[in-house]
Amino acid sequence: NAGVTQTPKFQVLKTGQSMTLQCAQDMNHNSMYWYRQDPGMGLRLIYYSASEGTTDKGEVPNGYNVSRLNKREFSLRLESAAPSQTSVYFCASITGGRTDTQYFGPGTRLTVL
Amino acid sequence: GENVEQHPSTLSVQEGDSAVIKCTYSDSASNYFPWYKQELGKRPQLIIDIRSNVGEKKDQRIAVTLNKTAKHFSLHITETQPEDSAVYFCGTTDSWGKLQFGAGTQVVVTP
Repeated sequence: NAGVTQTPKFQVLKTGQSMTLQCAQDMNHNSMYWYRQDPGMGLRLIYYSASEGTTDKGEVPNGYNVSRLNKREFSLRLESAAPSQTSVYFCASITGGRTDTQYFGPGTRLTVL
Repeated sequence: GENVEQHPSTLSVQEGDSAVIKCTYSDSASNYFPWYKQELGKRPQLIIDIRSNVGEKKDQRIAVTLNKTAKHFSLHITETQPEDSAVYFCGTTDSWGKLQFGAGTQVVVTP
């Protein structure tokens, strides 16, 4: 099992450009999450999907959109990138129960100039 | 929503000494308390977790204790080694099952 995978690993954008971060998991998990982690900071939840077909806002959703394409894939889109969105983005997945372990992808390091 | 406070933000210990990190939470419905370790440039990795029906759990040099009455839980690392240097995050699940993280503790183990 590959676990949780993310593409790309690194990306540099100019202000105003758009891009989509991809996340996939092969553990048959129901719930998937997108976090951002700024230098020296903790993990802040952007959006999550409790199950296929549902998405909900987290703590910092402004400037982002998500799509739960199917049970395996959950993408994060930046429509018009801003320097404040420079961060490391982590995708995570969980079976769905409240006491289940959350597994993280390797992260995408995004720089917006 | 859930509010998770984590202390200290940085912790420097001599190799061989113990390290203790403490987290407090506000939602009495929380019932799952994981600890993640994040090395520089890597993803967070689960190192130990505890569920609300247990007061303490140990795994070799790592232990977690939970006090549900006081709404706090702690990570204990004994006989620290240089490879324990990392950022550690505590977490709790809120009423909706979403995992909320503390701000993290930078642990530095000096030889």
